[in-house]
Amino acid sequence: DGGITQSPKYLFRKEGQNVTLSCEQNLNHDAMYWYRQDPGQGLRLIYYSQIVNDFQKGDIAEGYSVSREKKESFPLTVTSAQKNPTAFYLCASSISWRQRNTEAFFGQGTRLTVV
Amino acid sequence: QKEVEQNSGPLSVPEGAIASLNCTYSDRGSQSFFWYRQYSGKSPELIMSIYSNGDKEDGRFTAQLNKASQYVSLLIRDSQPSDSATYLCAVGSYNTDKLIFGTGTRLQVFP
Repeated sequence: DGGITQSPKYLFRKEGQNVTLSCEQNLNHDAMYWYRQDPGQGLRLIYYSQIVNDFQKGDIAEGYSVSREKKESFPLTVTSAQKNPTAFYLCASSISWRQRNTEAFFGQGTRLTVV
Repeated sequence: QKEVEQNSGPLSVPEGAIASLNCTYSDRGSQSFFWYRQYSGKSPELIMSIYSNGDKEDGRFTAQLNKASQYVSLLIRDSQPSDSATYLCAVGSYNTDKLIFGTGTRLQVFP
């Protein structure tokens, strides 16, 4: 089945610890995105990538890092510099932002909690 | 000014009524417009996309786009309690090369 897989579904982080959220897609999409959603809030863009080995900061990139070594994978690392990381993290992908029909499809999300 | 704005709601409508959700955007170079539905605790799912001025209908849903006025709307006919969710407007632009979401409108359909 084609789709976007995020793992884990739930993640607990201790203070000062780095954690990595996985996002894999088998849709052959060029573009991938990471969003953060806080309770009762909309989606805020963390990082996005339009092509392998290239990515850009979104609106709230501080305290996060990403890599795009493979077309299928776009992992997000939440570093200790992110002071308030508790949130719902969503990964999405789309064919290419410069083409029509560039709907973004989402994974199931990872709920990160600081303990 | 926010790039994509939506009224947070909640918008309450009775079952069987038409729900009207609105979204405005600031970037005149925006090319692609999407409506997503998000149930509590779940990820967003795409319900409509629109690229040209006018109306686009899909079942009970109609998306309306007016680029001159920079707004896009979603009409839900014959609203059902199962339509109760948060509806997110998303806008894409070649200028910014990214997809920007509004904060969403919470819709409540009561029996």
